[in-house]
Amino acid sequence: GENVEQHPSTLSVQEGDSAVIKCTYSDSASNYFPWYKQELGKRPQLIIDIRSNVGEKKDQRIAVTLNKTAKHFSLHITETQPEDSAVYFCAAGPSSGTYKYIFGTGTRLKVLA
Amino acid sequence: KAGVTQTPRYLIKTRGQQVTLSCSPISGHRSVSWYQQTPGQGLQFLFEYFSETQRNKGNFPGRFSGRQFSNSRSEMNVSTLELGDSALYLCASSWGTGGNTEAFFGQGTRLTVV
Repeated sequence: GENVEQHPSTLSVQEGDSAVIKCTYSDSASNYFPWYKQELGKRPQLIIDIRSNVGEKKDQRIAVTLNKTAKHFSLHITETQPEDSAVYFCAAGPSSGTYKYIFGTGTRLKVLA
Repeated sequence: KAGVTQTPRYLIKTRGQQVTLSCSPISGHRSVSWYQQTPGQGLQFLFEYFSETQRNKGNFPGRFSGRQFSNSRSEMNVSTLELGDSALYLCASSWGTGGNTEAFFGQGTRLTVV
């Protein structure tokens, strides 16, 4: 069935270092890959997304890369700050016809000051 | 513009009871999806509604059901509650017809079954 694997489950980095979270999906029909950030006690919020016709997308300190052949996509956060500490979820879904997203199990990122 | 609103925020129910959760999407959004969030399991898709029609359903037992009204507000119902149903239930609304655009989440309803 449809599945998204996400690694690592926890990640601790020093402030200013980079963090990388990796996801692998199983459904070849997936064409849209959003990343959500969920701070403690708050709702998940979209931080960046990528579509299958793009290999990489950047937004300031955040970037996402996609390898559709290998069914891998990754989130890169550079120059991490304490406020980046949160749980990050990757997801995969079709690009049309539905908003059914398959989420990874989440990565708890801790940025140590 | 008001965000996605879920009510109630917290619920405590006893095994065997039933519960109804409500989700009011962002004005103009016609799609509402529901997810169950538990520690270690991430967000698991329950079902999706668009213009009052269920478009997709996840792998949950028939005790979980939902509906969407003409004003796009949605409700989900869980009957014969089990301890394992304790979770944060999140709904998300989107403006388009499907995929490729942001899903905006509500704050969730935390359900505790005792």
